[in-house]
Amino acid sequence: DAGVTQSPTHLIKTRGQQVTLRCSPKSGHDTVSWYQQALGQGPQFIFQYYEEEERQRGNFPDRFSGHQFPNYSSELNVNALLLGDSALYLCASSLIQPNTEAFFGQGTRLTVV
Amino acid sequence: AQSVTQLDSQVPVFEEAPVELRCNYSSSVSVYLFWYVQYPNQGLQLLLKYLSGSTLVKGINGFEAEFNKSQTSFHLRKPSVHISDTAEYFCAVMRGSGGSYIPTFGRGTSLIVHP
Repeated sequence: DAGVTQSPTHLIKTRGQQVTLRCSPKSGHDTVSWYQQALGQGPQFIFQYYEEEERQRGNFPDRFSGHQFPNYSSELNVNALLLGDSALYLCASSLIQPNTEAFFGQGTRLTVV
Repeated sequence: AQSVTQLDSQVPVFEEAPVELRCNYSSSVSVYLFWYVQYPNQGLQLLLKYLSGSTLVKGINGFEAEFNKSQTSFHLRKPSVHISDTAEYFCAVMRGSGGSYIPTFGRGTSLIVHP
């Protein structure tokens, strides 16, 4: 079992650009959540996808959007990048029921310059 | 809404000494509680979780935690730490039932084990 895989591992973008991050969930999982972890902080919830729909959303602007595909993999898109978007972006997969444990990927380190 | 407070941002300790990482939560409903570990440049790995039942929870790598409802705490302990335990530790709380099933994380505690 490959667990949760994310790509790319590192990314450098220029302010104003757009970025897409990808996540493949753990085998058998149907729910994907995305988190932003700024340096020295805990993960902050961005949104959660289930059945290709955004199910829950945290306090993030509309510049952050996502998608879930029929095979349960997911993408996180960020438009009009700001310097403050520099962070580790974590993907977590779980089962919608019972949703009592999330498995995390290694993350994508995004640097905006 | 629930929240988590990790009372120590950094805990230095010598190898083979015991350690306790403190976590307090606030919630008006029943909760699930978790401890995750994050090694440098890696994602989060689940150490242990409390869902219900026994208040003493045993996890991986010799860690354990005790759920104390009256004190709204879920402190993490290990009787004897190793150099390899040096990492960032995150406490998380999630609404136990009928909720959004989204964990809220604390800011983390950096455990530094000295030889």
